[in-house]
Amino acid sequence: SYELTQPPSVSVSPGQTARISCSGDALPKKYAYWYQQKSGQAPVLVIYEDNKRPSGIPERFSGSSSGTMATLIISGAQVEDEADYYCYSTDSSGNQRVFGGGTKLTVL
Amino acid sequence: EVQLVESGGGLVQPGGSLRLSCAASGFTFSNYEMNWVRQAPGKGLQWVSHISRSGSTIYYADSVKGRFTISRDNAKNSLHLQMNSLRAEDTAIYYCARGSLPDDASDIWGQGSMVTVSS
Repeated sequence: SYELTQPPSVSVSPGQTARISCSGDALPKKYAYWYQQKSGQAPVLVIYEDNKRPSGIPERFSGSSSGTMATLIISGAQVEDEADYYCYSTDSSGNQRVFGGGTKLTVL
Repeated sequence: EVQLVESGGGLVQPGGSLRLSCAASGFTFSNYEMNWVRQAPGKGLQWVSHISRSGSTIYYADSVKGRFTISRDNAKNSLHLQMNSLRAEDTAIYYCARGSLPDDASDIWGQGSMVTVSS
């Protein structure tokens, strides 16, 4: 079955740039999407179609994709950005819809 | 305001059934595809099921195929998930989500409904 691989945790100091990776064989052909989930809350879409930002999401959130890896970038991370982040995509056929295992971002 | 509100969760014994519902408001429900996504306690997100705007196209994760049934009532702006033959591993928060993006990705999520399968 298709898998997306994320690091379990990333830690940065406030104001630094956080980068969270997501690796998958189909990413050269398929979009990556990124969700932020704070403790006890529902997920929130922060990046769609690799690098587009929904309205209301701060400009410090951006995304990129190259080859088999997509990256969520938080420039100047804030304490309030502490959360779990999940990537989402599909396999090359579009039949398997999967989330990555999630990355816990710590900002302190 | 765009809103999705789930209901119907609770405690059920293994082998039992439960029906989740999701009430949509603030947008034209019939214009959007919909998803169910779940999250086991302390675990990550897992896509469960997808339904097209008309309900004519439906997909399931292998782990629930044959046991769960997704449906929608566009006249009542509601989405449903009928869950049969429930197992302990189905214990999770179940989220209703609007699938407005390519690749069946979701842009708007409800707050979730907890389902606990235990004797």
